[in-house]
Amino acid sequence: AQTVTQSQPEMSVQEAETVTLSCTYDTSESDYYLFWYKQPPSRQMILVIRQEAYKQQNATENRFSVNFQKAAKSFSLKISDSQLGDAAMYFCALRAGANNLFFGTGTRLTVIP
Amino acid sequence: DSGVTQTPKHLITATGQRVTLRCSPRSGDLSVYWYQQSLDQGLQFLIQYYNGEERAKGNILERFSAQQFPDLHSELNLSSLELGDSALYFCASSRQGNGANVLTFGAGSRLTVL
Repeated sequence: AQTVTQSQPEMSVQEAETVTLSCTYDTSESDYYLFWYKQPPSRQMILVIRQEAYKQQNATENRFSVNFQKAAKSFSLKISDSQLGDAAMYFCALRAGANNLFFGTGTRLTVIP
Repeated sequence: DSGVTQTPKHLITATGQRVTLRCSPRSGDLSVYWYQQSLDQGLQFLIQYYNGEERAKGNILERFSAQQFPDLHSELNLSSLELGDSALYFCASSRQGNGANVLTFGAGSRLTVL
């Protein structure tokens, strides 16, 4: 079985500041992939960043980066220089072995001007 | 535009009715996935197809069924609808059906059951 836990239902950040969203996961598979998806008010699911478990280097995409701690099964998302357009629900997701993409319950991020 | 097309965008119907949601995957993608998102909740996996064949099944109710056609578009059929079926239904597609492939989501079909 696989689980994804997002323990922060809501977070807020001042514009231009940095915020970190937490995610922990569990799987018995050795081959797996981790993702962060963003869901703005339009409800469209947008891929933010992806991490292959076999890679030690943390993924980065412009202002978005992850802190992947494999031993601790932790996969946090850091958003730097937060912008108003970053306000959204953020979902952590895990795809392990032959299983399908499994989502956490999400963190609602508010950006304060 | 993600390249995954879902129709209709919005649908309002009554309890007991049947509806069909349609999905056209991104060009070149062979695998289609259906997810259900109830109000302010996470996405629940329903079912996956790969090149016309059912690949995996999640928490899909017996009242729901799906198929993927030879042209790779997919339809999700929801019957004997109940109030609790009101949700956003997402279709996603990927090039292959395995873990290395990123899922690209459509804009969703919002179903309201009255």
